[in-house]
Amino acid sequence: QVQVVESGGGVVQPGRSLRLSCAASGFTFSRYGMHRVRQAPGKGLEWVAGTSYDGSYKYYLDSVEGRFTISRDNSKNTLYLQMNSLRAEDTAVYYCAKDGGWELREAMDVWGQGTTVTVSS
Amino acid sequence: QSVLTQPPSASGTPGQRVTIYCSGSNSNIGSNYVHWYQQLPGTAPKLLIYRNHQRPSGVPDRFSGSKSGTSASLAISGLRSEDEADYYCAAWGDSLSGHVFGTGTKVTVL
Repeated sequence: QVQVVESGGGVVQPGRSLRLSCAASGFTFSRYGMHRVRQAPGKGLEWVAGTSYDGSYKYYLDSVEGRFTISRDNSKNTLYLQMNSLRAEDTAVYYCAKDGGWELREAMDVWGQGTTVTVSS
Repeated sequence: QSVLTQPPSASGTPGQRVTIYCSGSNSNIGSNYVHWYQQLPGTAPKLLIYRNHQRPSGVPDRFSGSKSGTSASLAISGLRSEDEADYYCAAWGDSLSGHVFGTGTKVTVL
């Protein structure tokens, strides 16, 4: 079935790095944009980053620009989020979500189960 | 930082109709599609409405969406206990070059 499965979360100290992965299956990964959305404890949803179907377009939330890098490997059907210089305010559940189109303006129609990132000393 | 505004809560008794409003601006709702997501307690969000009023396969027709200018709404008719969840609107933000989510509305079935 169509699904995305996240991995890579954990506990990390402030200033350190972490890489999240998202493995896609059940659909032609290379045809769709992909997103990362996070949810801090007890808070609402916050879009973090997105990449177009071929990785040529990448967009970021202002507060993570320059620290986070979204990328994809279409040969492995996998989305990555490299997170550097992590801060306490980056603590959240991070979701991977498939866009309904090849760019990033459609709805997010498939969501993963989320992976938890905790930034704490 | 959410740029789409929703009421924090809404409630109704079983069978009633509940409407949730989402307010934005010309650079997001005013010029792009609005989507709605349902998040049941302890689970990942799920797409409920896309392109303002379209329902994905499997979503009951009790859920309906509409958009007018820089605002949108989600209506739940025939409210059921399993509709207790958080609901979020979302749209592409031209000025931010990214998706923006609403502040979220918690629906309670009394």
